[in-house]
Amino acid sequence: SQTIHQWPATLVQPVGSPLSLECTVEGTSNPNLYWYRQAAGRGLQLLFYSVGIGQISSEVPQNLSASRPQDRQFILSSKKLLLSDSGFYLCAWGGQGPGNIQYFGAGTRLSVL
Amino acid sequence: DAKTTQPPSMDCAEGRAANLPCNHSTISGNEYVYWYRQIHSQGPQYIIHGLKNNETNEMASLIITEDRKSSTLILPHATLRDTAVYYCIVDFGNEKLTFGTGTRLTIIP
Repeated sequence: SQTIHQWPATLVQPVGSPLSLECTVEGTSNPNLYWYRQAAGRGLQLLFYSVGIGQISSEVPQNLSASRPQDRQFILSSKKLLLSDSGFYLCAWGGQGPGNIQYFGAGTRLSVL
Repeated sequence: DAKTTQPPSMDCAEGRAANLPCNHSTISGNEYVYWYRQIHSQGPQYIIHGLKNNETNEMASLIITEDRKSSTLILPHATLRDTAVYYCIVDFGNEKLTFGTGTRLTIIP
C-alpha cells in the first residue's frame, strides 16, 4: 500500500533562517506531488506541484521554492524565512490521469518568530 | 473563482445522518465531484468522489443530481469523530485540486 511521509511535524524557526521540508512517498511510481500551505483559520493554498522529476510548477509567487530530486521525493525550501511564511504545510501525492485522488501527509506546522 | 458553494457551518446530532450540500452549477461534463475532510490540525482526508452516478463506500455516500449542478455527501451515522471541515471540490482530477473554505460540521452529543 502507498504511504506518504512528511517531516518534521513541528518547526520553529527565526526570521531570516533557511527552511527545508521533505516529503517522500512509498508504494507508487511516478506520482504527482504537491505542496500546500494553510494559514491559521484559512483554506488550503496550492504552492507547487510536480508531474515528474525536475518538473515543478509554481502556483503563487513567494519566498519559497520546491525541488524533486527523485521520483518519490519532494522538497520545499526557503533561503530566508519571513514571518508570513508561518503556517501548516502539507505534502500530497496523486496518480496521473482524470479522476485521480490526492492523499495528504500529516503536515508540518511552521512558526516563524 | 470558486467552483463550489457550501454552507459555512452545520450541526448534526450524534447517531443521525449528516447531509452536507454542495452547489456546483458551472461543472463541466468531465469534472468530478470530490469530498475531503480535515480534522483539526491534521492533513485532509479523502472521503469519496464521483462523476455522474451516486457512489458509496465505507465512509459515506455521494448523491449527485441528474443535472450535476449539486451534490450531497451523506455520513449515515455521525459520530463525534466526524466533527471536521468538509470540502467539496469540482475538478478533472488529473493535476491539482482547489480547496475552498468548506463546511464546518459539528457533531452534537
